Amino acid sequence: GDSVTQMEGPVTLSEEAFLTINCTYTATGYPSLFWYVQYPGEGLQLLLKATKADDKGSNKGFEATYRKETTSFHLEKGSVQVSDSAVYFCALRSPARQLTFGSGTQLTVLP
Amino acid sequence: ETGVTQTPRHLVMGMTNKKSLKCEQHLGHNAMYWYKQSAKKPLELMFVYNFKEQTENNSVPSRFSPECPNSSHLFLHLHTLQPEDSALYLCASSPRIAGGPTYNEQFFGPGTRLTVL
Repeated sequence: GDSVTQMEGPVTLSEEAFLTINCTYTATGYPSLFWYVQYPGEGLQLLLKATKADDKGSNKGFEATYRKETTSFHLEKGSVQVSDSAVYFCALRSPARQLTFGSGTQLTVLP
Repeated sequence: ETGVTQTPRHLVMGMTNKKSLKCEQHLGHNAMYWYKQSAKKPLELMFVYNFKEQTENNSVPSRFSPECPNSSHLFLHLHTLQPEDSALYLCASSPRIAGGPTYNEQFFGPGTRLTVL
């Protein structure tokens, strides 16, 4: 079955540090890949997505590249801000199936 | 109101109580979902509705009973819950359940934080 494994948190960084949150997956066929973000007290919001191999999703300074050869979709940001503090979820969707989420990574950015 | 709203935002109930969670979407979507979010666990999909018809039930115990009277409203009726049912319950909607990513992107509500005593 489909599954998503992402690095366990919590991750604590200083403002302007470089961020990487690792995500690897197991899936049937050719899935679409997603990163969702959950700010405190809110629901999940789609951050970025990629629908085929080598696609790069990007939004708000965050990027992730769909790597089929390593079955990975790592999230990166060059310079984090305090406002990026949130829980980040990696997810995939195989064709004709529902979303499968990872367990989430809590990010705290200190001023 | 815009987007996906959920009420109540917080709920504390005893194991013998009966309560309901409400979700409403103002996006014109046809598909709605219930998820359970427990600490340090992946989101668990509970139910999927498409055009008011239930299309998926992921082995959810019968003490959780969903209802979808129309494409804009989704309820989760709760009765005789257990303490391990305490979690954040998230509702989501999407234009459809099938099709490419543009059509099945899910929009989430803020959730109801449920505590079962």
